[in-house]
Amino acid sequence: DAKTTQPPSMDCAEGRAANLPCNHSTISGNEYVYWYRQIHSQGPQYIIHGLKNNETNEMASLIITEDRKSSTLILPHATLRDTAVYYCIVRVEKYGQNFVFGPGTRLSVLP
Amino acid sequence: DAGVIQSPRHEVTEMGQEVTLRCKPISGHNSLFWYRQTMMRGLELLIYFNNNVPIDDSGMPEDRFSAKMPNASFSTLKIQPSEPRDSAVYFCASSPTGGIEKLFFGSGTQLSVL
Repeated sequence: DAKTTQPPSMDCAEGRAANLPCNHSTISGNEYVYWYRQIHSQGPQYIIHGLKNNETNEMASLIITEDRKSSTLILPHATLRDTAVYYCIVRVEKYGQNFVFGPGTRLSVLP
Repeated sequence: DAGVIQSPRHEVTEMGQEVTLRCKPISGHNSLFWYRQTMMRGLELLIYFNNNVPIDDSGMPEDRFSAKMPNASFSTLKIQPSEPRDSAVYFCASSPTGGIEKLFFGSGTQLSVL
């Protein structure tokens, strides 16, 4: 699986949009981009995934660049409960393929 | 649905003792994963089951670790004998088959080996 690079930490003001970047310059054509987050003392939680097109769900939006070498997770109106570690993962969509969690980005939403 | 259920939530034991961690996946999910999380190494996959069969156990650190899935609704991770370096949070996750694979994690078991 391709490796990802994320900033170790970010701050965001409550109510503002949080934009979390992820670099995956060696991504292959059949690898998806997944985002998970882990709130303190809990198991990771799935947020969103995408292949080429931008995606949106009730939690977030995922913007993938045209060359697919990077992506941005957008939390449109961050709340204090969004404080967590956010993991960007690239992975071939095949059962049994490991989800490799890197160190992620620690997002702190500030009041 | 209650989600993935793990027990116990916390386990404190002494070095050399046997430890058994338990997991009940979400009903209907055919894939089950055991992960370990430490400050130093982050989240690491230990073993993956599909339809109750171990598919990839390359992440199991050594022979002291074993995992079973006797049926679709139950899995165990056993450490025997336990060592202080096994102290970590152990997560179980399950995933439905069909479509994009998404992991649903339990709340984890905090293991402390003294």
